[in-house]
Amino acid sequence: KNQVEQSPQSLIILEGKNCTLQCNYTVSPFSNLRWYKQDTGRGPVSLTIMTFSENTKSNGRYTATLDADTKQSSLHITASQLSDSASYICVVSIRGNNRLAFGKGNQVVVIP
Amino acid sequence: EAGVTQFPSHSVIEKGQTVTLRCDPISGHDNLYWYRRVMGKEIKFLLHFVKESKQDESGMPNNRFLAERTGGTYSTLKVQPAELEDSGVYFCASSRLAGAYNEQFFGPGTRLTVL
Repeated sequence: KNQVEQSPQSLIILEGKNCTLQCNYTVSPFSNLRWYKQDTGRGPVSLTIMTFSENTKSNGRYTATLDADTKQSSLHITASQLSDSASYICVVSIRGNNRLAFGKGNQVVVIP
Repeated sequence: EAGVTQFPSHSVIEKGQTVTLRCDPISGHDNLYWYRRVMGKEIKFLLHFVKESKQDESGMPNNRFLAERTGGTYSTLKVQPAELEDSGVYFCASSRLAGAYNEQFFGPGTRLTVL
């Protein structure tokens, strides 16, 4: 069983609308949680990174939240644009060996 | 600053053949990582170089995979002989540091198809 689960697997949203992506993890011991954006044919690009003590972090129209107690994170996209169409991957860093555990990603399609 | 580059972008080979993937990290990044994404699955760690040394190769699936980083610059990942289940996208990433909060910069990946 994967240690990082994301939902929904995919979604379609209208340009200008907001959406929220979910990530639940069981990775332990936890070091930090990252959200990556992966455009088709490209490698993942880091959006945010949060440590245990951080509850929220923003990067432009992207806002990530973290609840380390319930082991849940979310990524909120505000006023979506066509360029937001991509896969959003939740990644948890394991404390100690610094290995990264990846989710399968949320596939977002923004339509005009 | 140039990003991480990978070559080739696509490779189609037959089962039993050999393929070598190349990764050029960002200049000055001592840490280099190889990952693989099999279709329908999440990205998984293969191995980690610090300069020319293998720091962690526990993710390598079997001895058909050989990674090298001679001179501590670019790295190659050879699959010999390739099997059908080796098909997937192979990503390379690099980072300046190897600590818990280091940011890894990913290349575009090499899509390998084994027929």
